[in-house]
Amino acid sequence: EVQLVQSGAEVKKPGESLKISCKGSGYIFTNKWIGWVRQMPGKGLESMGIIYPGDSDTRYSPSFQGQVTISADKSINTAYLQWSSLRASDTAIYYCARQRGSWYGDAFDIWGQGTMLTVSS
Amino acid sequence: QSVLTQPPSVSAAPGQKVTIRCSGSSSNIGNNFVSWYQQLPGTAPKLLIYDNNERPSGIPDRFSGSKSGTSATLGITGLQTGDEADYYCGTWDSSLSTVIFGGGTKLTVL
Repeated sequence: EVQLVQSGAEVKKPGESLKISCKGSGYIFTNKWIGWVRQMPGKGLESMGIIYPGDSDTRYSPSFQGQVTISADKSINTAYLQWSSLRASDTAIYYCARQRGSWYGDAFDIWGQGTMLTVSS
Repeated sequence: QSVLTQPPSVSAAPGQKVTIRCSGSSSNIGNNFVSWYQQLPGTAPKLLIYDNNERPSGIPDRFSGSKSGTSATLGITGLQTGDEADYYCGTWDSSLSTVIFGGGTKLTVL
């Protein structure tokens, strides 16, 4: 079964750092782009950026450039989303999702279960 | 404010048909494929339609997609109460160089 399994919910304080993960299985992890999508409470979906685990080629959406770091470790089929200094406005559910085709603009066909992040003092 | 515009909500009775429109521009829908996602309450989004009108394996043919110019439409026939969800359109935006989503449409099956 093709699936993406994300790390668990997090509660952090403003200013803290965090790295969440997304582990792929059931397919060749290095051959498909993986994206990260934010969903703030009661709001819609926002694409944050994408990574190609095969060579770690990474593209950020303009709104998230410089705000987060996307990385991957192909040896363990895992992609990451990282913050160096969290803010309350980072409170959201974060989804990883696989792009179905061979290019980074394709549809997301497999989604992780989501990681809920709460940032509060 | 999303680059892609969807109605905030639509509603219809069980068994009826509903359409959800997604409006964009030449930098996104006009020159790229459109996908549609269903997000049931409390769950992750699920791909319903890709490449404007293609259904992934397992998606019933009650769901259909089309595109004309800078707009796309999701159609759902034979509505069921289990179809109550938020629906999002998505595509690539060549100017922003990123995937973008519509603001989402909440479907209520009365």
